[in-house]
Amino acid sequence: GAVVSQHPSWVICKSGTSVKIECRSLDFQATTMFWYRQFPKQSLMLMATSNEGSKATYEQGVEKDKFLINHASLTLSTLTVTSAHPEDSSFYICSAKGTINTIYFGEGSWLTVV
Amino acid sequence: GQQVMQIPQYQHVQEGEDFTTYCNSSTTLSNIQWYKQRPGGHPVFLIQLVKSGEVKKQKRLTFQFGEAKKNSSLHITATQTTDVGTYFCAGSVGTYKYIFGTGTRLKVLA
Repeated sequence: GAVVSQHPSWVICKSGTSVKIECRSLDFQATTMFWYRQFPKQSLMLMATSNEGSKATYEQGVEKDKFLINHASLTLSTLTVTSAHPEDSSFYICSAKGTINTIYFGEGSWLTVV
Repeated sequence: GQQVMQIPQYQHVQEGEDFTTYCNSSTTLSNIQWYKQRPGGHPVFLIQLVKSGEVKKQKRLTFQFGEAKKNSSLHITATQTTDVGTYFCAGSVGTYKYIFGTGTRLKVLA
């Protein structure tokens, strides 16, 4: 079946540095991908909708200059957390829209900013 | 904005007991999906409901979509320890953008 791969699974970075997380659809083309973040024991909060070849649409309250999203191809979307701070530590997860109305999730990326 | 609430937030049941989680949206949905997330894992798609009043079953799991398409429920019959996890509903208003519910964390005591 369809698979969405996220990389890296775990990342630790120093405060002030930037971190890039990749989301790839492995066997299907995804014109639309979604980025979520999840704090421990909380729900998934939609951050932005990533559309191939165009600018991402950010949800209210999400800083677009802080969370840069690039969807340069039909199989890859990237999320860059710029100038990361400890409060950005979270579980980031992407999903990709497949055929019809199916959504496939990646396995997520744990970010720890120290 | 669109909000999706789930109750209860937590549920502890004895193995073999039934379990139900309820999902309520502030807006009418075009469809609703249900996911299960194990501790440390990612959400796994369970099912999608589209039609008003729709009921779908997967073995011991029964999913229902309300007549007004603003609420949904997931019922598990005779829970097992493998049912442990957090169950999320996710509602869409037709744009493929899904808003997740607050989740119900299920613990099953053996």
